[in-house]
Amino acid sequence: RKEVEQDPGPFNVPEGATVAFNCTYSNSASQSFFWYRQDCRKEPKLLMSVYSSGNEDGRFTAQLNRASQYISLLIRDSKLSDSATYLCAYGGSQGNLIFGKGTKLSVKP
Amino acid sequence: DTAVSQTPKYLVTQMGNDKSIKCEQNLGHDTMYWYKQDSKKFLKIMFSYNNKELIINETVPNRFSPKSPDKAHLNLHINSLELGDSAVYFCASSQDPRDTEAFFGQGTRLTVV
Repeated sequence: RKEVEQDPGPFNVPEGATVAFNCTYSNSASQSFFWYRQDCRKEPKLLMSVYSSGNEDGRFTAQLNRASQYISLLIRDSKLSDSATYLCAYGGSQGNLIFGKGTKLSVKP
Repeated sequence: DTAVSQTPKYLVTQMGNDKSIKCEQNLGHDTMYWYKQDSKKFLKIMFSYNNKELIINETVPNRFSPKSPDKAHLNLHINSLELGDSAVYFCASSQDPRDTEAFFGQGTRLTVV
């Protein structure tokens, strides 16, 4: 089983849509989880950390399900500017990040 | 001000050459990393340094040698470049090894021809 698995997409959605991404991870001992956003030919940037209680930042909501070992990202009211690749990651035992391959989102007018 | 900066941004070189990529961070972080993103966009750790000390050395050919002259700099030297080394190399930093909220440089796109 891969360390982090994501649906690569692409997810093609109209503006205003709600879209959800899931990500499963294999290391049950991991304590920290993240969603990063990567625009084409750019570096990854932290979108949000993911907490057990779930967290929300504007139109973005992240959830962690430890029992099933998955994290999710919900984007409401999609904007054109949300088009990017979304990478989920968890913290390795030595401080590095272990990434999924990313899910590509394309928001259309 | 750029938090994590790496140079060059683009590097095109012939097989067999030796090249270096430089990275500097002005965030005052103790930990720096090199990640490689291949053609399939898979981003994977290569090396990690904490206060100039190597703490992660993944299964990377020994043609790759990181060097950290101080905790604000982590350079990557690659000997005898091969076609398969073509990728985007990202430098990153975080406050300490337990703080995995990392900040990335803009990447160096290496093409070996």
